[in-house]
Amino acid sequence: KQEVTQIPAALSVPEGENLVLNCSFTDSAIYNLQWFRQDPGKGLTSLLLIQSSQREQTSGRLNASLDKSSGRSTLYIAASQPGDSATYLCAVTLIKAAGNKLTFGGGTRVLVKP
Amino acid sequence: EPEVTQTPSHQVTQMGQEVILRCVPISNHLYFYWYRQILGQKVEFLVSFYNNEISEKSEIFDDQFSVERPDGSNFTLKIRSTKLEDSAMYFCASSSPLAIAGTGTDTQYFGPGTRLTVL
Repeated sequence: KQEVTQIPAALSVPEGENLVLNCSFTDSAIYNLQWFRQDPGKGLTSLLLIQSSQREQTSGRLNASLDKSSGRSTLYIAASQPGDSATYLCAVTLIKAAGNKLTFGGGTRVLVKP
Repeated sequence: EPEVTQTPSHQVTQMGQEVILRCVPISNHLYFYWYRQILGQKVEFLVSFYNNEISEKSEIFDDQFSVERPDGSNFTLKIRSTKLEDSAMYFCASSSPLAIAGTGTDTQYFGPGTRLTVL
């Protein structure tokens, strides 16, 4: 059974510092991995999707890497801003999942202090 | 930009009552999903739906749950007899027309959620 873990559960940084968020998964037979942002009491906003054949994906200040063999992904957020404060979730889809089921990590709650 | 919408935003019901949660997926998407998040816990998959049938469901999705696409735009989740433990945020999601059954998925786009409170 696929398990997805995100450590740390919470992170606090001063504005301007780069953020490094970690995600690990137990079954490396993934089809893709998605990073989401969740604001309190709100839905999930998709940030980046990395296909299993990719090593990296970038969007603006965000960069996500994927090392499938070691079961890890890292989300980098450059030059953090107070508006980046949110919970960041990673989720994977297994190749054998006929229904495209996403399995989520528990998230990392980020606070960027002005 | 197209988005997934959900109604209502908050539903309060008595234990044992039936509830229907409604979703309008992105219009040209073909895969539809329901997930839930109990307060303080991980987001959990409930069910995926493609070509008018369930393609995968979790162990949570028992006989009390059902999904339907009653017309060309809505996708609903029905809970027949709600329990206290059904209290959660329920998210609908949809994914792109490039997603083909058995070969994986494209980006899943989530709605804002319906907060279900069972008293």
